[in-house]
Amino acid sequence: SSELTQDPAVSVALGQTVRITCQGDSLRNYYASWYQQKPGQAPALVIYGKNNRPSGIPDRFSGSISGNTASLTITGAQAEDEADYFCNSRDSSDNLQVFGGGTKLTVL
Amino acid sequence: QVQLQQWGAGLLKPSETLSLTCAVYGGSFSDYYWTWIRQPPGKGLEWIGEINYSGSPKYNTSLKSRLTISVDPSKNQFSLKLKSMTVADTAVYYCARGHWVRVPPTAFANWFDPWGQGTLVTVSS
Repeated sequence: SSELTQDPAVSVALGQTVRITCQGDSLRNYYASWYQQKPGQAPALVIYGKNNRPSGIPDRFSGSISGNTASLTITGAQAEDEADYFCNSRDSSDNLQVFGGGTKLTVL
Repeated sequence: QVQLQQWGAGLLKPSETLSLTCAVYGGSFSDYYWTWIRQPPGKGLEWIGEINYSGSPKYNTSLKSRLTISVDPSKNQFSLKLKSMTVADTAVYYCARGHWVRVPPTAFANWFDPWGQGTLVTVSS
């Protein structure tokens, strides 16, 4: 199964824009999904497919893909966006799922 | 509103077998991949495996020899059994509903939503 690589930590000033990336060969065939996890909580889906947000997710969250790199962009980061973010995809070669290692987002 | 409710033993001794069950309330049971994911303390998410309505499982290669995932469509439930537990298997275990779609012209998308509440499983002698 392939791997997905994320930066361990990223910081952003309050109200600014931040991009969290996820790199892996599986992303050439499968769109990434993105999950936000706050301490003590289960992960929650924030982006899936081309750029879809579940009900209740603010429109400051968006997703994109370029080659083998998927990005989660938060435009106008808020204090409540401070969390761990994980990407996920499926490897089309063996049809197994994989998660990125996660990115800890700090809002300054 | 679909909800997943999971249960199972939270404290095991080394070599014992973990058994977890996840019940699905609301929504269709037949159109999704029913998935188990775990997270060791302070670490990232690890996909354990999945099963579809017809009972065809897929397993994480590293766990395959110890793992069984089964489904009971009559009860809208699916289960996980992981044999020969060790300290390294200590984690929060989540169940989740997996979605899969084709995205024209040539791509696909999958995602997990919703998730169960998680079960902390501790392996200790």
